[in-house]
Amino acid sequence: QSVLTQPPSVSAAPGQKVTISCSGSSSNIGNNYVSWFQHLPGTAPKLLIYDNNKRPSGIPDRFSASKSDTSATLGITGLQTGDEADYYCGTWDSGLSAWLFGGGTKLTVL
Amino acid sequence: EVQLVQSGAEVKKPGESLKISCKASGYKFTYYWIAWVRQMPGKGLEWMGIIYPDDSDPTYSPSLQGQAVISADKSISTAYLQWNSLEASDTAMYYCARLRGYTYGPDYWGQGTLVTVSS
Repeated sequence: QSVLTQPPSVSAAPGQKVTISCSGSSSNIGNNYVSWFQHLPGTAPKLLIYDNNKRPSGIPDRFSASKSDTSATLGITGLQTGDEADYYCGTWDSGLSAWLFGGGTKLTVL
Repeated sequence: EVQLVQSGAEVKKPGESLKISCKASGYKFTYYWIAWVRQMPGKGLEWMGIIYPDDSDPTYSPSLQGQAVISADKSISTAYLQWNSLEASDTAMYYCARLRGYTYGPDYWGQGTLVTVSS
């Protein structure tokens, strides 16, 4: 069981919006930057968000994120079938002195 | 362009040794940490450990310590993950990734190396 808790799955229709939550504690999300990754199994994961809410160049503004206290949220608007993937939050844990990933959330675009 | 190119898929028997590689290009190899991340079949991403190529001093995840050895050769911009005696439970996809900083997480990833351990 992951220290960072994500819902196992979310789904929405094309064009709609979806949010994915990531819950942690003061030793990780509460005091460190959160990143979000998109992953199609068997391919290289892709960085979507870093430093809580910043997008790397090339990531569309349909992807956004926020952090509040010990939780973080990824939002995706204008859903496309190509967005179907697993999404992971990640952050440093100061107590464990290790990077943590959430358990991952499978997005289905119906 | 930053690239991390990993070695190809491996099929090994229990007890055998293995060393997989991650060759970096497009940036100064000794300026960034490299991490190894495991994905077991049907499971999520797990942090295995990191190494700073300039001094080759690895740090391992507490939960995975001792399961594999991380090393780097800065002369050829390559990081490695090595097992002395594989077990079936080592079957997984392994990814290397460049870190933006020690606690800041990955920004670029390798394509993954599938390791299958089966008798």
